[in-house]
Amino acid sequence: EVQLVESGGGLVQPGGSLRLSCAASGFTFSSYWMSWVRQAPGKGLEWVANIKQDGSEKYYVDSVKGRFTISRDNAKNSLYLQMNSLRAEDTAVYYCARDKAGPYYFDYWGQGTLVTVSS
Amino acid sequence: DIQMTQSPSSVSASVGDRVTITCRASQGISSWLAWYQQKPGKAPKLLIYAASSLQSGVPSRFSGSGSGTDFTLTISSLQPEDFATYYCQQANSFPSWTFGQGTKVEIK
Repeated sequence: EVQLVESGGGLVQPGGSLRLSCAASGFTFSSYWMSWVRQAPGKGLEWVANIKQDGSEKYYVDSVKGRFTISRDNAKNSLYLQMNSLRAEDTAVYYCARDKAGPYYFDYWGQGTLVTVSS
Repeated sequence: DIQMTQSPSSVSASVGDRVTITCRASQGISSWLAWYQQKPGKAPKLLIYAASSLQSGVPSRFSGSGSGTDFTLTISSLQPEDFATYYCQQANSFPSWTFGQGTKVEIK
């Protein structure tokens, strides 16, 4: 059974940093593109970043470029999102998602971890 | 960026009704479109990909159609477990994916 379990969310002050983790199991992690998708409270979905199977390609939504870094450790079946210079508008539930058949659609999602940026 | 616009924003329907949700892209995206279902407090679930392909395990009452800029998600006979919010997502403009704003299906 495919499982994605996020951790690392919490309350952080504006300008602060946080590192999210996603532990994957039930599939060959190193064979899939992986993404982070977020959802602000009461709002819709926003793709944040994705990373190729071997980590050689990484892409970001414009609003987080230069502040967030996606990475992965295939030996540990884990995906990460390092978030720096956090802003109030980064407040959201962050989901880890597996990309289906290449970086196109998201076929499995974690339960999400809430990041709140507030003073 | 490609903008995705869903309509209606919400729809009230009864069990057994046929429900259709529309998604329009700001430019042509061929068939690079997916539909997701999200229930309160839960992660989204992939229903349809490549505009009309049913994801494994999804009931056949869900169907998708369209290409270019106009797409539809149809629920042929609404069931109690289908009351949720539905999102479309374009996958044409690699690597930047965008979602529609969502359509809430409510109980009439």
